[in-house]
Amino acid sequence: SQKIEQNSEALNIQEGKTATLTCNYTNYSPAYLQWYRQDPGRGPVFLLLIRENEKEKRKERLKVTFDTTLKQSLFHITASQPADSATYLCALRSSGSARQLTFGSGTQLTVLP
Amino acid sequence: DTAVSQTPKYLVTQMGNDKSIKCEQNLGHDTMYWYKQDSKKFLKIMFSYNNKELIINETVPNRFSPKSPDKAHLNLHINSLELGDSAVYFCASSQFQPGQETQYFGPGTRLLVL
Repeated sequence: SQKIEQNSEALNIQEGKTATLTCNYTNYSPAYLQWYRQDPGRGPVFLLLIRENEKEKRKERLKVTFDTTLKQSLFHITASQPADSATYLCALRSSGSARQLTFGSGTQLTVLP
Repeated sequence: DTAVSQTPKYLVTQMGNDKSIKCEQNLGHDTMYWYKQDSKKFLKIMFSYNNKELIINETVPNRFSPKSPDKAHLNLHINSLELGDSAVYFCASSQFQPGQETQYFGPGTRLLVL
């Protein structure tokens, strides 16, 4: 069956360090993968998209990698700040799907001052 | 200025009642979605409409009925509410762009069925 798993429910790191979040998937042929940020009481907000033929994407302090052999995406936040504390969701769009995104259950990141 | 708006933000109701949630987007997008997020934060697609036509209809009870009067609106009507319907419901919209489509989410409607 198809599955999207994010490495841990919660991750605590010290301010200034790099946070690394993992998204693994099985039985998907992804067209692309996206990362969203969700703050408490709010809807998810799009951060980055990476296509199946791309290895890495960057946006300011954010970096996403995509390894279709390992069936894994890594999401990095460098020089993390307490304001980065939120839940981060990965979402997969399969090739040929009816424009449907399937979300992982999220990783709650807390950056400690 | 809100891109995707939902009403109400909170909804507390008794089991067996019928309720509606409204969603509007002012982004000019051609597709709208309803998601359900449960207590474990798992976000699951329920329905999707493209230009007022249903294109995704996941396995949800037929007590849930979406209605799209026009491209900018997608409402969700729920009949005979049950305790298990308690969750946060998110509306989202997107514009078809091959290989780069992203979704914009509303603030959510927190439904509590007593």
